Amino acid sequence: EAQVTQNPRYLITVTGKKLTVTCSQNMNHEYMSWYRQDPGLGLRQIYYSMNVEVTDKGDVPEGYKVSRKEKRNFPLILESPSPNQTSLYFCASSLGLDITYEQYFGPGTRLTVT
Amino acid sequence: GQQLNQSPQSMFIQEGEDVSMNCTSSSIFNTWLWYKQDPGEGPVLLIALYKAGELTSNGRLTAQFGITRKDSFLNISASIPSDVGIYFCAGQLWGAQKLVFGQGTRLTINP
Repeated sequence: EAQVTQNPRYLITVTGKKLTVTCSQNMNHEYMSWYRQDPGLGLRQIYYSMNVEVTDKGDVPEGYKVSRKEKRNFPLILESPSPNQTSLYFCASSLGLDITYEQYFGPGTRLTVT
Repeated sequence: GQQLNQSPQSMFIQEGEDVSMNCTSSSIFNTWLWYKQDPGEGPVLLIALYKAGELTSNGRLTAQFGITRKDSFLNISASIPSDVGIYFCAGQLWGAQKLVFGQGTRLTINP
């Protein structure tokens, strides 16, 4: 089954404790992206990657890192999480950057930073 | 950053009613997309619009790309319980490749 998977689905952590949210897709997609969803703000792009070893900042990259060492995986790293990073995070992938390619979203990771 | 204004933010309707929601912006978009997010899931694409004035249907859903390129609407006819969820509009700014999302419309249906 074609899908985007994220782990963990739920995470509660404390300020400053480094964490990684994994994202994996099995569709051989080149383009992958991370979003955060907050009430009243919709989805905002954090980082995106057009291919292996090619990443770029989205609209809200501060406090986040990403890496793209393999085509299928695109982990999101929070080196020192803070409470304002409490949010619902989505990973997405598509064949390419062109808007005509549909983006497939993962099920989401709900992160709480205390 | 660029924002889309999506309204209403929430809707409470009776099963069988029609639903209408829209997105507007002060900027010109060359693509409009409508997504639905079920509880506990990621957004799923419902309808994509690529031309100004385009009217596209997907079952009971109909969406239109505004003539001015600055707005879009989504209609749902004869709502059913599985229509419950959050609906997002998304647009691609002219000359850009990324998507900008609206704030979402949360639809609740009373049986």
